[in-house]
Amino acid sequence: QVQLQESGPGLVKPSGTLSLTCAVSGDSISSNNWWNWVRQPPGKGLEWIGEIYHSGSTNYKPSLKSRVTISVDRSKNEFSLKLSSLTAADTAVYYCVREAEAGSYFDYWGQGTLVTVSS
Amino acid sequence: DIVMTQSPDSLAVSLGERATINCKSSQSVVYSSNNKNYLAWYQQKPGQPPKLLIYWASTRESGVPDRFSGSGSGTDFTLTISSLQAEDVAVYYCQQYYGSPPEFIFGPGTKVDIK
Repeated sequence: QVQLQESGPGLVKPSGTLSLTCAVSGDSISSNNWWNWVRQPPGKGLEWIGEIYHSGSTNYKPSLKSRVTISVDRSKNEFSLKLSSLTAADTAVYYCVREAEAGSYFDYWGQGTLVTVSS
Repeated sequence: DIVMTQSPDSLAVSLGERATINCKSSQSVVYSSNNKNYLAWYQQKPGQPPKLLIYWASTRESGVPDRFSGSGSGTDFTLTISSLQAEDVAVYYCQQYYGSPPEFIFGPGTKVDIK
């Protein structure tokens, strides 16, 4: 069974950088899947942030592109998210998510981790 | 920019009755290379991550009860719960994949409750 687990600080300061890691088990990060980050502000809807393939190829949401970096560590079977220049609007539950091999939809989600941006 | 809308924002349905949720995209979700509609539906219960219900507009994910069905093509789609059960109380999201450049876009969600 594929499992994804997010980890990282739950509180970060405004103007700082959010750093999260997603540990993947039950599948290889080098499989034919893209690995994604999706976020959800408290009480609001879902927003796709970006994705990475094991080769290191990435795609990002255009409005976040200047602030986002997604990377992969094949040796640890994990991938990571960095989001810079944080404001309160970045407060959200951050999910790491596997895109189905056939593409276009998400078949496995982590439980999510709440990141609060506050001084 | 591509915009996804859902209607209604919320609905309350009696147990055993039908629930219908609509999703509309400002741009066609048909992928020209394979003629598939890149539209998925997810169910999210409080405190849980979303769960995939339907992909390619009408293909039910393995293990999803057959009371859930998806239909539609192009820009207009529908998720139907044929006989609402108590465990179906949740927020439902549609999601589009746009390939050039790659981007995933979610609808705003529809909350389903028991009447």
